[in-house]
Amino acid sequence: GAVVSQHPSRVICKSGTSVKIECRSLDFQATTMFWYRQFPKKSLMLMATSNEGSKATYEQGVEKDKFLINHASLTLSTLTVTSAHPEDSSFYICSADGGQETQYFGPGTRLLVL
Amino acid sequence: AQKVTQAQTEISVVEKEDVTLDCVYETRDTTYYLFWYKQPPSGELVFLIRRNSFDEQNEISGRYSWNFQKSTSSFNFTITASQVVDSAVYFCALIFAGSQGAQKLVFGQGTRLTINP
Repeated sequence: GAVVSQHPSRVICKSGTSVKIECRSLDFQATTMFWYRQFPKKSLMLMATSNEGSKATYEQGVEKDKFLINHASLTLSTLTVTSAHPEDSSFYICSADGGQETQYFGPGTRLLVL
Repeated sequence: AQKVTQAQTEISVVEKEDVTLDCVYETRDTTYYLFWYKQPPSGELVFLIRRNSFDEQNEISGRYSWNFQKSTSSFNFTITASQVVDSAVYFCALIFAGSQGAQKLVFGQGTRLTINP
């Protein structure tokens, strides 16, 4: 089946630093990937849609200069949280469009900003 | 507007009881897809089912069953003879074509299910 990986699975960083999260589709190509954020005991909220070779589309209220998305290949999208602050601490989940209206989800990345 | 509502925030039952998780959706699209996902404590989303808007047949998979009723815009999920391993947060979701053609998933608030031994 379609597998999506995320790296790292868990990261702790100091306030003000930048953190990069990778999302890879391991056995299929995905022209579109999605980035979600989930706060504790809350639902998943779509942050942005990442399209291979073009700019990401951000949801309303998501700062594109803070959450940089790069989708340079058909199997890799990266999310960089720039100048992270404690309020950015969250569970970040990516998904890859596998066609037929099906998204395959990665295992998620827990970010803790101290 | 597209919206998914899971009115039950938390449910707690004793093992072997049957439990139904409710899901009500709103969409103007005539073609859409509904999903259920399970999220155990590890955080990873586990895909359970996908149903398109033209298929109202109920589905059964082992102890899981789904009831899709377009007339009431509901897509309810029932676990029969629940087990402790069923404890998780369950999300209902709807997919629709966004303004630029991207397939965006909209999630409900989730229902935290606890099965007590």
